Amino acid sequence: QVQLQESGPGLVKPSETLSLTCTVSGGSVSSGSYYWSWIRQPPGKGLEWIGFIYNSGSTNYNPSLKSRVTISLDTSKNQLSLKLSSVTAADTAVYYCARVLRFPYFYMDVWGKGTTVTVSS
Amino acid sequence: DIQLTQSPSFLSASVGDRVTITCRASQGISSYLAWYQQKPGKAPKVLIYAASTLQSGVPSRFSGSGSGTEFTLTISSLQPEDSATYFCQHLNSYPLAFGGGTKVEIK
Repeated sequence: QVQLQESGPGLVKPSETLSLTCTVSGGSVSSGSYYWSWIRQPPGKGLEWIGFIYNSGSTNYNPSLKSRVTISLDTSKNQLSLKLSSVTAADTAVYYCARVLRFPYFYMDVWGKGTTVTVSS
Repeated sequence: DIQLTQSPSFLSASVGDRVTITCRASQGISSYLAWYQQKPGKAPKVLIYAASTLQSGVPSRFSGSGSGTEFTLTISSLQPEDSATYFCQHLNSYPLAFGGGTKVEIK
């Protein structure tokens, strides 16, 4: 049974780069059947899709964040990572990684538990 | 970009009630819609995908319907453990997006 676990600093200073890792167990990030995605949820608010990556390294980002976001895969460690640059208080959120089934149906079938990131000096 | 509007944003119902949540898309998305349940402090969990397909392990009291621009999630007989926030999500085109959520409270 695949499990995803997010990790990274819980506190980031404004203007710095937020860096998170998602470790996948019970499955492989190299599988061609899935995309691997990041989603965030500000306190008390809804969900925002950040982007995803395929095993080829191809990515697709939300245009609202595209200029600041990088998602990458480390197949040797079975991990995906998220980097978000020039953060502000508006980037304070719970960050989730999720597996996205590609076919025959397209949806997020497995989620990590999430990690809280606060942007503050 | 495609926007999703959920209604209502909050509902309060009794155990055993039939509950319906609506999700409207700003343009047609075929059946590329999923429904998620989120309990406080927990990650979302998929209930329905492809608008009407029940995810394995999800109780049969949950059902989804619709295509194009209007979709519904129905709980046929509300249970205490169904107290949660429900989100729809479209996967028709990029950027993917979620509805604003519907909080379901048990009276």
